[in-house]
Amino acid sequence: EAGVTQSPTHLIKTRGQQVTLRCSPISGHTSVYWYQQALGLGLQFLLWYDEGEERNRGNFPPRFSGRQFPNYSSELNVNALELEDSALYLCASSLAGRVYSPLHFGNGTRLTVT
Amino acid sequence: KQEVTQIPAALSVPEGENLVLNCSFTDSAIYNLQWFRQDPGKGLTSLLLIQSSQREQTSGRLNASLDKSSGRSTLYIAASQPGDSATYLCAATYSGGGADGLTFGKGTHLIIQP
Repeated sequence: EAGVTQSPTHLIKTRGQQVTLRCSPISGHTSVYWYQQALGLGLQFLLWYDEGEERNRGNFPPRFSGRQFPNYSSELNVNALELEDSALYLCASSLAGRVYSPLHFGNGTRLTVT
Repeated sequence: KQEVTQIPAALSVPEGENLVLNCSFTDSAIYNLQWFRQDPGKGLTSLLLIQSSQREQTSGRLNASLDKSSGRSTLYIAASQPGDSATYLCAATYSGGGADGLTFGKGTHLIIQP
């Protein structure tokens, strides 16, 4: 069974630019979560998508957005990049009704903003 | 505010020792608690998931316990090996807060000395 895959693995952008990160969930998983892991801050919840709909978002500005496609893959878009957006962005997937099933994470995309 | 705390932040022990990692959470209204392992620069690997109705889960040399009344979970690692060196994170899914995904602790950085 293929795990959660994320692309690209590394990315370097400059302030003000825009970036798109991609995530493919495990086959059969309909929920996709995005997390930001910045140095020293731990994992912060960004977005949750299920069945193509945004179900909830964390405490991040609107320049963080995303979507989920009919095949349940997902994109995370970040506009007007700032230096503090430098972080490891992790995607996770789960079966619907996630409360009773574990989250499975990808290896993340390392974003560096200069 | 729902918070998850992990103590200690770092731990270094000789190979072969049994060890316990601690996780505490502020709200007993949790659905489940999940333990993860994260290797440097990588994503998270799910180790164990304990539902709120359960007291413990075991997988190989790992045993996780959950005590909702005291707001604590422990991860016991038996006969530690250098390959166990990683950061271990616990995360709680809260009743009514499940839509936010998981609330993570900041992790315990574990080093097993050969």
